[in-house]
Amino acid sequence: QKEVEQNSGPLSVPEGAIASLNCTYSDRVSQSFFWYRQYSGKSPELIMSIYSNGDKEDGRFTAQLNKASQYVSLLIRDSQPSDSATYLCAGYILTGGGNKLTFGTGTQLKVEL
Amino acid sequence: DAGVIQSPRHEVTEMGQEVTLRCKPISGHDYLFWYRQTMMRGLELLIYFNNNVPIDDSGMPEDRFSAKMPNASFSTLKIQPSEPRDSAVYFCASSLQGQGAYGYTFGSGTRLTVV
Repeated sequence: QKEVEQNSGPLSVPEGAIASLNCTYSDRVSQSFFWYRQYSGKSPELIMSIYSNGDKEDGRFTAQLNKASQYVSLLIRDSQPSDSATYLCAGYILTGGGNKLTFGTGTQLKVEL
Repeated sequence: DAGVIQSPRHEVTEMGQEVTLRCKPISGHDYLFWYRQTMMRGLELLIYFNNNVPIDDSGMPEDRFSAKMPNASFSTLKIQPSEPRDSAVYFCASSLQGQGAYGYTFGSGTRLTVV
């Protein structure tokens, strides 16, 4: 099992809808999680972090963490065409040498007019 | 702040040639990371440094890859000799205190093509 897993998509939603992006993680991954957005040909950009069980909201974005189910999600409300990008879920793997941020392969989101 | 600066943006080289990628982290960040991104494998951590010291290089694929950080403001990733399977986008990222709320800030990446 990969440490962080995501559905590659593409996930298509109409403009104004809620986009729901999901991520599961293995026992090796610690309880700190991040969502990065990556536009085509660009570098990953941090948009959300979550450390505690439950929800965290920031504008149109809500991150959800369920430690019992080892599940992290990102909800994007009122989706806009500018939200079309690949969304990467990331978590820390604890190793003897330190903590390493490990990424899922990303979910491509397409917001259609 | 100019962010994490990488050079070159694009590199095309012939198989067998040496390739050197460069990175300048954000001033004051004490962690530096080198990642490689491909369609098949996504973002993979190659190596990371803390205060210029390599901490974990277990992601470096082969002895052909080497990385150095001679000072707090400069790091290089070298591939010698390069092979077509090394073609990928290489990202450098830096961070304060390595984890937690700060996350990682990525550079613009170097797109490497080995022909």
